[in-house]
Amino acid sequence: QVQLQESGPGLVKPSETLSLTCTVSGGSVSSGSYYWSWIRQPPGKGLEWIGYIYYSGSTNYNPSLKSRVTISVDTSKNQFSLKLSSVTAADTAVYYCARDRIAVAAGIDPWGQGTLVTVSS
Amino acid sequence: DIQMTQSPSSLSASVGDRVTITCQASQDISNYLNWYQQKPGKAPKLLIYDASNLETGVPSRFSGSGSGTDFTFTISSLQPEDIATYYCQQYDNLPFTFGGGTKVEIK
Repeated sequence: QVQLQESGPGLVKPSETLSLTCTVSGGSVSSGSYYWSWIRQPPGKGLEWIGYIYYSGSTNYNPSLKSRVTISVDTSKNQFSLKLSSVTAADTAVYYCARDRIAVAAGIDPWGQGTLVTVSS
Repeated sequence: DIQMTQSPSSLSASVGDRVTITCQASQDISNYLNWYQQKPGKAPKLLIYDASNLETGVPSRFSGSGSGTDFTFTISSLQPEDIATYYCQQYDNLPFTFGGGTKVEIK
């Protein structure tokens, strides 16, 4: 059973870079059947797709964040990561990593438990 | 971006009631639509994929239908454990987008 776990600082200062890592267990980020995704949810609000990465390193990002987002993968550690630069209070959210099935029976599942990142000085 | 409009934004129903949530896409997305359940303080969970296919292990009281721009999610007999917020999500076009959510409560 695949499980994902986010890790990283819970507090980031405005204008700095948010960095999170997702560790995958029970499965491999090198599988060609999945994208590895980041999604966020501001407190009390809905879900926003940030982007995904394929094991080859190919990425797709939400245009609303594209200039500030980098998603990378480390197959040797079975991890993938998110960097979001120049953060503001509007980036305060619970950040989820998740697995996205490609093509057949597409869907985002499972998700990590989520980690709250607060942007504040 | 494709806009996903869910209604209602919240509802209150009794145990055993039939509950229906609608999701409308701003353009034709064929059947590239998923439904998720998010319980308070938890991560979302995939319930329905490709508009009408039940994810493995999900109770059969949950169902989905529709294609094109109009979709429906139904709980045939509401149970106390179904208290959650439900989201639709399109994956026809990038960026993937979610509906605003429907909060389901017990009356």
